[in-house]
Amino acid sequence: GQQVMQIPQYQHVQEGEDFTTYCNSSTTLSNIQWYKQRPGGHPVFLIQLVKSGEVKKQKRLTFQFGEAKKNSSLHITATQTTDVGTYFCAGAILWGKLQFGAGTQVVVTP
Amino acid sequence: DTGVSQDPRHKITKRRQNVTFRCDPISEHNRLYWYRQTLGQGPEFLTYFQNEAQLEKSRLLSDRFSAERPKGSFSTLEIQRTEQGDSAMYLCANSLGTYMNTEAFFGQGTRLTVV
Repeated sequence: GQQVMQIPQYQHVQEGEDFTTYCNSSTTLSNIQWYKQRPGGHPVFLIQLVKSGEVKKQKRLTFQFGEAKKNSSLHITATQTTDVGTYFCAGAILWGKLQFGAGTQVVVTP
Repeated sequence: DTGVSQDPRHKITKRRQNVTFRCDPISEHNRLYWYRQTLGQGPEFLTYFQNEAQLEKSRLLSDRFSAERPKGSFSTLEIQRTEQGDSAMYLCANSLGTYMNTEAFFGQGTRLTVV
């Protein structure tokens, strides 16, 4: 069945540093979405990628969709304490159900 | 506030009792998902609706779980004969998309504790 895997599971980052989290699917996706969940909160939508090789930026966040539409990445530059939380990717096959990865929990040390 | 409301926010129940959760989505948002989330894990897909039609139900879901979305509006998720392993946060999410995925708006969730 459809599986979405994320690495790393945990990411400890010094404030000001950059990091990248990766998402891999066992099958080709029609689209991929990224969400952020703060501790005690619910997932909040960040971005959706649809096209092969697509790159989108939101301020310090850069999202990429692989050419084969089976992987994606989120790169954060100059990490801030407000970036703390868990980042999930969620992929869909043929515009069906959204399948979430296990997430990357980000901890930022000042 | 995403506009998706879930009730109750917390539920404590004894083993083997039945529980029902409700989700009130954003009006005219066609897709409605139910997910389950445990600590340190991502949302686990349970089922989803396109309007009133239940399109898919997780194969991992036992027959004790059932969901409905009458008239394509609010939805309910019922768990019969609850077990301790059912303890989790149950999340409802809503999106506008019909033939494609769009941004999913999550409710605050219902935290279930089975004792």
